[in-house]
Amino acid sequence: DQQVKQNSPSLSVQEGRISILNCDYTNSMFDYFLWYKKYPAEGPTFLISISSIKDKNEDGRFTVFLNKSAKHLSLHIVPSQPGDSAVYFCAASEGTYKYIFGTGTRLKVLA
Amino acid sequence: GAGVSQSPSNKVTEKGKDVELRCDPISGHTALYWYRQRLGQGLEFLIYFQGNSAPDKSGLPSDRFSAERTGESVSTLTIQRTQQEDSAVYLCASSFTPGANVLTFGAGSRLTVL
Repeated sequence: DQQVKQNSPSLSVQEGRISILNCDYTNSMFDYFLWYKKYPAEGPTFLISISSIKDKNEDGRFTVFLNKSAKHLSLHIVPSQPGDSAVYFCAASEGTYKYIFGTGTRLKVLA
Repeated sequence: GAGVSQSPSNKVTEKGKDVELRCDPISGHTALYWYRQRLGQGLEFLIYFQGNSAPDKSGLPSDRFSAERTGESVSTLTIQRTQQEDSAVYLCASSFTPGANVLTFGAGSRLTVL
């Protein structure tokens, strides 16, 4: 049972445009959400997080939106850069230590 | 150390052999996690340590898998009698406290079972 789903395995975006990566979850008790970026042969690196008490968190070019009623979060990258090309994972936790990760979305930013 | 170190980075083994994967977390991080990523899959939780204790081993796939942590530092994940379905990248992460909002991952150990 996949509690955290990333339904788009891949996404291509032109450089300078907005990238929108989506994530859906089923457990309404999740209260903390993270986005990670992963380059080949490297471990995932933390990007941005959001608590369930918020609906938006912004850090530079990265913004995460949380829609609790829809159990949906999204990561916006604007403007997209070729260096953003990577696999992006969303993760969720229920106030504890165990983060459940999605299957990832491969983003390709075209120059 | 400055980051989470994992060794070996690559391991090829024959079916039925035992393997040990090592993780050196960031110094001072009390929480340590093991995840697994099989080809085309997401990160699958295996086990979590708080100090040297493992409050949650629920993600270990079978009794062939075990893990320990000593000195509130190094952790070893052992897979006995490896099977081809064990082939994956095994990722270790640590955080300062449990439930902290940032897990710092190592680069992973890629295990291939022939």
